[in-house]
Amino acid sequence: QKEVEQNSGPLSVPEGAIASLNCTYSDRGSQSFFWYRQYSGKSPELIMSIYSNGDKEDGRFTAQLNKASQYVSLLIRDSQPSDSATYLCAVKPGGSYIPTFGRGTSLIVHP
Amino acid sequence: DGGITQSPKYLFRKEGQNVTLSCEQNLNHDAMYWYRQDPGQGLRLIYYSQIVNDFQKGDIAEGYSVSREKKESFPLTVTSAQKNPTAFYLCASSIGSHQPQHFGDGTRLSIL
Repeated sequence: QKEVEQNSGPLSVPEGAIASLNCTYSDRGSQSFFWYRQYSGKSPELIMSIYSNGDKEDGRFTAQLNKASQYVSLLIRDSQPSDSATYLCAVKPGGSYIPTFGRGTSLIVHP
Repeated sequence: DGGITQSPKYLFRKEGQNVTLSCEQNLNHDAMYWYRQDPGQGLRLIYYSQIVNDFQKGDIAEGYSVSREKKESFPLTVTSAQKNPTAFYLCASSIGSHQPQHFGDGTRLSIL
């Protein structure tokens, strides 16, 4: 059974702080890793994709992947109230079309 | 503008009725997917299709049916056999096995 685990939260951070969201996965054959943001009542929106160990930065977002420890994280710098949403981690095994999604972490950024 | 269009946005089903949710994409993606999301729950895969005229059951296919006659279209029928259809239904597509999925705006289905 492939599992993707996320702390459900809510994670509450003050405006301007760094929000750190974590995700662990069970399948060592996983090769593709994605972070989605889902606002309440809306569909998931892709934020980041990461495929190799290390950090990948895109604006205020940084994805970090450590395959040996089987975790992937998302850092949001200078958090804004508009970042308040649920963040979904998705993991795909090599050669598979089907990702396994975590249940998501709720992030609240308060002014 | 490329994207995935789901319609309708809201749908109401009467007892014993089949309803069809539309999903159309103009991204030229090969793979398409249907997910169900219940309040406070994760995404559960209903059906997926990697190529035209072929589709596979996901984790919760019972009470649902699909077709994939065109690359652009992947409609989902919620049959009367699905006893608890109230949920948020999401259609997604992807270009290949390593690439991420992109989602439509969703259809919210309720029972009358």
